[in-house]
Amino acid sequence: DAKTTQPPSMDCAEGRAANLPCNHSTISGNEYVYWYRQIHSQGPQYIIHGLKNNETNEMASLIITEDRKSSTLILPHATLRDTAVYYCIVRPLTSGTYKYIFGTGTRLKVLA
Amino acid sequence: GAVVSQHPSRVICKSGTSVKIECRSLDFQATTMFWYRQFPKQSLMLMATSNEGSKATYEQGVEKDKFLINHASLTLSTLTVTSAHPEDSSFYICSATADRPEAFFGQGTRLTVV
Repeated sequence: DAKTTQPPSMDCAEGRAANLPCNHSTISGNEYVYWYRQIHSQGPQYIIHGLKNNETNEMASLIITEDRKSSTLILPHATLRDTAVYYCIVRPLTSGTYKYIFGTGTRLKVLA
Repeated sequence: GAVVSQHPSRVICKSGTSVKIECRSLDFQATTMFWYRQFPKQSLMLMATSNEGSKATYEQGVEKDKFLINHASLTLSTLTVTSAHPEDSSFYICSATADRPEAFFGQGTRLTVV
């Protein structure tokens, strides 16, 4: 079973920041938080991952609370092409063989 | 990012026939590949994990004799749906990992069994 909970859907105005929350209250000390997104009828796309420090890359920022029980993915200036299902996943980093378990995700709709 | 390619992207087959789906890592060697199935408006469901040169590990409830997985090289894994039936119609997705923290996913294969 997925170890994360996310709101089923969110709307965001184009050009505004999209803040997607994720609860992972049972996260273990060696587990990282990963974010992927899936645009309709495509395979998931990697966005970002982190352990406990906030992370930023060209796509997004990841804010992890100090107790690591929740996190927020921030798309700073959402565009229509960011409309997708966003998945938050926790898994250990240490082994590439460790499986990714997807929850139900958040369906983000960016509105013009 | 690294590229994972699936082939075919769409396939229609008759009930009772077998279908093979290929998953290739184009620019890296994949030590582990994962196969998922996704029904409409649902999340990805992990079917099996395969490591190069060894037997796949199937998730509970997934029939290993129906969904044959072969991971013969570090760049190729195949999923064969044997004796396909309409209820096997789904979106099948593979992903691959190497010595990097993130996995990369193929574009998916939409299987329709008629």
